[in-house]
Amino acid sequence: KQEVTQIPAALSVPEGENLVLNCSFTDSAIYNLQWFRQDPGKGLTSLLLIQSSQREQTSGRLNASLDKSSGRSTLYIAASQPGDSATYLCAVRSSNDYKLSFGAGTTVTVRA
Amino acid sequence: DARVTQTPRHKVTEMGQEVTMRCQPILGHNTVFWYRQTMMQGLELLAYFRNRAPLDDSGMPKDRFSAEMPDATLATLKIQPSEPRDSAVYFCASVPGQAYNEQFFGPGTRLTVL
Repeated sequence: KQEVTQIPAALSVPEGENLVLNCSFTDSAIYNLQWFRQDPGKGLTSLLLIQSSQREQTSGRLNASLDKSSGRSTLYIAASQPGDSATYLCAVRSSNDYKLSFGAGTTVTVRA
Repeated sequence: DARVTQTPRHKVTEMGQEVTMRCQPILGHNTVFWYRQTMMQGLELLAYFRNRAPLDDSGMPKDRFSAEMPDATLATLKIQPSEPRDSAVYFCASVPGQAYNEQFFGPGTRLTVL
């Protein structure tokens, strides 16, 4: 069974600092990995999808890397802003399964 | 702006009552997932439909939960009878094509059972 861990559970940084969010998974046989953002009381917004054959994906200030062999993905957010405050969830889809396995999330607070 | 819609957004009900939650997937998406999110358990998969057929509902308590997709534009999740432990946020997500593709989530239905 795929286990997904996100550390730290919470992070507080001053505005302008770069954010580094970590996601680790136990089974390296994955199909893809998806990063989501969730605002309080809201649904999940897909940020980036990385296929197993890719090493990274970029969208604006966001960059996600994938290292399957070590079972890790990292989401980088450059020059953080207060509007980046949210919970960030990592979800992994194993190669032999259509289901997403979610991490518990990292709650980010960017202080103005 | 294509997006998944869910109704109602909030529901407060008393134990024992029937609850029906609705989801409209993005037009053309033929795969729908139902999830439940709680503080203790995080996000859990309840059911999965492809081309309106239920392919996996092993995550649902069968005695009280049922999920259907009567047509391509509507998926429903019903709880009868509801219990306080069902209080959670229920999300649906739709996927274009294969279930392995990117999932697009709705805003959720926040259910409180008193």
